[in-house]
Amino acid sequence: AQSVAQPEDQVNVAEGNPLTVKCTYSVSGNPYLFWYVQYPNRGLQFLLKYITGDNLVKGSYGFEAEFNKSQTSFHLKKPSALVSDSALYFCAVRYNNDMRFGAGTRLTVKP
Amino acid sequence: NAGVTQTPKFRILKIGQSMTLQCTQDMNHNYMYWYRQDPGMGLKLIYYSVGAGITDKGEVPNGYNVSRSTTEDFPLRLELAAPSQTSVYFCASTNGGEAFFGQGTRLTVV
Repeated sequence: AQSVAQPEDQVNVAEGNPLTVKCTYSVSGNPYLFWYVQYPNRGLQFLLKYITGDNLVKGSYGFEAEFNKSQTSFHLKKPSALVSDSALYFCAVRYNNDMRFGAGTRLTVKP
Repeated sequence: NAGVTQTPKFRILKIGQSMTLQCTQDMNHNYMYWYRQDPGMGLKLIYYSVGAGITDKGEVPNGYNVSRSTTEDFPLRLELAAPSQTSVYFCASTNGGEAFFGQGTRLTVV
């Protein structure tokens, strides 16, 4: 079965600085990869996905992610963080209809 | 558009009671999923379905059952509630791309 890991429980950045939230995955074939964001007491909201094509994927709210097959990674990035980006971020992998999530990374952007 | 609708939003159950968490979607999605979210543990897949009449176990299916008699509905049943099932439950649907999530059901078993 596939799995996904988010090695950092917490990421802290200053507003205006670039941010990276890390994700690595393990599947035996070609995965579909996703990033979702969760605000307090809400369901998850889609940010971006990689299915095939360009390794750099652009998504909502200025976020982007880079697919790296050799490192089996799909890190989420943003060039300039906003305080409003503070939330819980989840990486997900879908393979053979099954969709699994990482444990989540709490991003805090300080003014 | 309603999207994915979960009911109830909150529920308190006594140990040994049973209940059904309802999930319905109006997007004609084939794939539907049930997850539980425990504090600091991310989302764990309970069951999923790839279409009406077809269901499969996820990572943590014990203590739960599902059915998928229609494309729209994917109810999750707890037969004998246990304190370990205290969690927030999310239903999601997709047609292969992004998944759409319900607002969640916060369940407490006492």
